[in-house]
Parts: sequence; structure tokens; C-alpha cells
Amino acid sequence: KAGVTQTPRYLIKTRGQQVTLSCSPISGHRSVSWYQQTPGQGLQFLFEYFSETQRNKGNFPGRFSGRQFSNSRSEMNVSTLELGDSALYLCASSSDRGNGYTFGSGTRLTVV
Amino acid sequence: KQEVTQIPAALSVPEGENLVLNCSFTDSAIYNLQWFRQDPGKGLTSLLLIQSSQREQTSGRLNASLDKSSGRSTLYIAASQPGDSATYLCAVRRGFGNEKLTFGTGTRLTIIP
Repeated sequence: KAGVTQTPRYLIKTRGQQVTLSCSPISGHRSVSWYQQTPGQGLQFLFEYFSETQRNKGNFPGRFSGRQFSNSRSEMNVSTLELGDSALYLCASSSDRGNGYTFGSGTRLTVV
Repeated sequence: KQEVTQIPAALSVPEGENLVLNCSFTDSAIYNLQWFRQDPGKGLTSLLLIQSSQREQTSGRLNASLDKSSGRSTLYIAASQPGDSATYLCAVRRGFGNEKLTFGTGTRLTIIP
């Protein structure tokens, strides 16, 4: 079966711009989580969506937002990009039956 | 606040050796613990998932154990191969339903041919 699909794989943006990343979970998975990975901070939780509702949110500024659609696909948006937003953004989906998380390949965002 | 630590941060061993990676967590109230591997610049690949009620899980050459009371998990890799070279991450999940994963900082493993 298809895994978690993230698009695009790579992005280069300029400071001040905004960006939207997309994540398609495994079919049947209703929980989608987003993580930011940087060399200095490691993997940090951004937010989690379940059935189109944000259930949990990490400690990121309001420039980071997300949403989930009725087909469980999710998008995250970062507005007013800063150099420090350069990172690998990972999406994970879960069946929410305690069966663990499956991650996508990530989107590498570079802010210049 | 849950904190997850992985020691050592890096490990190099000759091919064929058995090895153990360590993961410790401060809050024993976990729902499950998951081990992942990450190749450079790539996403995470799930290796093993241990529910809080379990003591260990095995998949091929990998065996993960969990001791909730002491806040520890180990990942045992038997007969290591160069293809095992990667960063290994453990992550704990506190609750069922709406809880995030808290990750350790990872162990970068290099298998020397």
C-alpha cells in the first residue's frame, strides 16, 4: 500500500515569503502530525490533526499553521519566512489505534 | 515534561558485531515507544513499536526491549552490516488519541566494513 506522501521534496524560498507543504497520509489513517527537524533542535512537534480538527499543538509561533481536509490530507503553512525556518519538515500518519506512526520522506525547506 | 536521551550520540563498530543502542526517558507514563532509523537527508523508517504493556519486540536481526519502571529501552542489532549505518531515533508517545511523539536526539551508527 502507498506510504505517506509529502510534496514538494525540496523548496527554496526568500525571507518574508510564505510556503505551503502538503502531506497525504496512508489510506485509512485519520491522524496526521507535523514535525520540524533541524541539526540544532532535533525533531520538534508542530501539530497534530484528526478528522479535520487540530488536537494538539507544539510550541511554535503563530506563523506556523495547518489544516486537514475531509480526505485526511493535510497542509501546513509558514508565513513570513525567516532564515531559521530552514529545516526538514516531516509528516507522519497514524491509524490512531495505537499502532505507531509512519513518516513521509519530508520536505526540505531552505530560506535564503 | 518528558525528556528522552540517547547515549552514545555516535557509535562505530566493525561489521558483524552485535551492538546495543540505549534510550532513556524521564516520565514512565508512556503509551508506547517506537524506534526509527533515518538515513541522511531522508525521512524516518519505523523499525519496532513496543506497547507499554510489552517487554520486547523482535523483527529479524533487531530486538527492542522496554523497561517502563526504569525509563529505559534498548535496541539490539545482531550481526551488524554496513547497510545498518544510519541514525537511530527512539520516540515515546504519552497517551492514546491526542499526544505527540517526543524524540530522543539519536545515535549515529557507522558500521565499518
